[in-house]
Amino acid sequence: GEKVEQHESTLSVREGDSAVINCTYTDTASSYFPWYKQEAGKSLHFVIDIRSNVDRKQSQRLIVLLDKKAKRFSLHITATQPEDSAIYFCAASRNNAGAKLTFGGGTRLTVRP
Amino acid sequence: GALVYQYPRRTICKSGTSMRMECQAVGFQATSVAWYRQSPQKTFELIALSTVNSAIKYEQNFTQEKFPISHPNLSFSSMTVLNAYLEDRGLYLCGAGQGATEQFFGPGTRLTVL
Repeated sequence: GEKVEQHESTLSVREGDSAVINCTYTDTASSYFPWYKQEAGKSLHFVIDIRSNVDRKQSQRLIVLLDKKAKRFSLHITATQPEDSAIYFCAASRNNAGAKLTFGGGTRLTVRP
Repeated sequence: GALVYQYPRRTICKSGTSMRMECQAVGFQATSVAWYRQSPQKTFELIALSTVNSAIKYEQNFTQEKFPISHPNLSFSSMTVLNAYLEDRGLYLCGAGQGATEQFFGPGTRLTVL
């Protein structure tokens, strides 16, 4: 089955700098790649997603890149703020509905003031 | 807007007892419902995926005998954790989807087993 690996388990950046979280996946049939944020003691909050028909998507300070050939995708958070501090999870799914997601292990992002 | 509610939000049960949790989709039709578990300090594991008009599919390491799921209509699903033990503790998430749209997650049910 699909395996999603999140390369950075922790990441610390200074406020205003960019943060990059990288994920790789194994299933070439995966076509939907969402990102979620989990704050302490809380559930998952959808952040941004990308589908396999594009290789870049931006939403305000968030940029997602997808390299299908390398089976790699990444989340770039620009101009980080302390409130960006959380655990970020990448996920992959075979269909655009994202009904069956395989999650990465999570990256704890700390933004230092 | 699309919302997913889960209840209870937190529950404690004694080892060996069972616990039922519910998931309700509001504002959209949940044609698929996926149940996930996040064990302490771990990522989210898919327990099972329920799609209307299809059989419920359980992932490896999870069985219907242990985690029976009901998905009777397009707005409701429930899952029971039977004979809960320490390894069953964690955050149980319900993710509901409609067709080719993103999956909406509920706030989760946090299960503590004593």
